[in-house]
Amino acid sequence: AQSVAQPEDQVNVAEGNPLTVKCTYSVSGNPYLFWYVQYPNRGLQFLLKYITGDNLVKGSYGFEAEFNKSQTSFHLKKPSALVSDSALYFCAVRVTYRGDSSYKLIFGSGTRLLVRP
Amino acid sequence: ETGVTQTPRHLVMGMTNKKSLKCEQHLGHNAMYWYKQSAKKPLELMFVYSLEERVENNSVPSRFSPECPNSSHLFLHLHTLQPEDSALYLCASSQQLGANEQFFGPGTRLTVL
Repeated sequence: AQSVAQPEDQVNVAEGNPLTVKCTYSVSGNPYLFWYVQYPNRGLQFLLKYITGDNLVKGSYGFEAEFNKSQTSFHLKKPSALVSDSALYFCAVRVTYRGDSSYKLIFGSGTRLLVRP
Repeated sequence: ETGVTQTPRHLVMGMTNKKSLKCEQHLGHNAMYWYKQSAKKPLELMFVYSLEERVENNSVPSRFSPECPNSSHLFLHLHTLQPEDSALYLCASSQQLGANEQFFGPGTRLTVL
């Protein structure tokens, strides 16, 4: 089955330290991978995506993600965390169905990032 | 804001009530989506519309009834809901069906008593 997993419910990090939010996926074919962020009382906002090309993808707010095909992972990273980065982060993968004629996003369960001052 | 608005932002209803959630996108997109977000669970895709035609009904109970009168508006009509239907309901749009990036509204926080 096609799926995406975020193994950590919460990640705690001190401001100024690097952060990593983990994501692994299981899809058939080449994966289209995404990260979204959700701040309190807001909808999800797109951060970055991997379609093809360089394994290190850069996105909004200084975030980046590394695609690792052998480990089927797409971990979100940031070199220096800010308190304002505290939010809920979702990994997603685009899957095809109905004989490749349709697409939809499958989201992970989310990881809460808490950056302490 | 992302150009996708949802009203109301909060809704409390009894199990016998009928209510509707509204979503409007100002982005000129052709595809719209309803998701259900419950605590500690993955986002659940409920319905997908492309050019006002429903293309996906993800095994959603009939007490949820979507309506897409035009490409800018999407409704979710609710009737005889259950307490376990309490959740955040998110609307999203994308330029086309299958486009890589979806734009989300702020959601409607629904509580069913």
